[in-house]
Amino acid sequence: GENVEQHPSTLSVQEGDSAVIKCTYSDSASNYFPWYKQELGKRPQLIIDIRSNVGEKKDQRIAVTLNKTAKHFSLHITETQPEDSAVYFCAATLDWGNKLVFGAGTILRVKS
Amino acid sequence: EAQVTQNPRYLITVTGKKLTVTCSQNMNHEYMSWYRQDPGLGLRQIYYSMNVEVTDKGDVPEGYKVSRKEKRNFPLILESPSPNQTSLYFCASSLGFGVAAYEQYFGPGTRLTVT
Repeated sequence: GENVEQHPSTLSVQEGDSAVIKCTYSDSASNYFPWYKQELGKRPQLIIDIRSNVGEKKDQRIAVTLNKTAKHFSLHITETQPEDSAVYFCAATLDWGNKLVFGAGTILRVKS
Repeated sequence: EAQVTQNPRYLITVTGKKLTVTCSQNMNHEYMSWYRQDPGLGLRQIYYSMNVEVTDKGDVPEGYKVSRKEKRNFPLILESPSPNQTSLYFCASSLGFGVAAYEQYFGPGTRLTVT
């Protein structure tokens, strides 16, 4: 079936460095790509999203890029801080937006 | 306060004993969904509902039932739970879906253990 692949599964960076997480999707009709952050023991929360008619979106230290031709999108976190440590999930819509499929998640550790 | 609530938060049960996990939202959202979260597999959608009396299967619906009799409530029913349904369950809601997708708000999660 349609799926979303996410890489890497774990990522360790030094505080202040940048972190990049990549996702690929298979449904060419996907038109909405959110990123969620889940801290330990808590619920996922939306941090940024992008729609298919936009190539890049930025919100302070977080940015997302989308390449519809290659069917991949990426999360970029600059100037990482210890509080960025969490699990990050990408997702993409299926079935004309009625379903949301998540990647397997990336554990980000920011070392101080 | 705008929120999604789930009950119970923790549940240990035995194989075959029917259970219901409740989900309620106070934001007048049309779209509601249930996910299960397992290590290494991310969040997988079980069922979703686009409005009252409108429900459909997600990626992993086997062994689960749902109903949407009121806009605010979307219970998840396990008629005969099995150990492979041991998982962390999240309910979520959003203003809408489809072409104009919206942010999903997640409940606090229900940790279910089936022995």
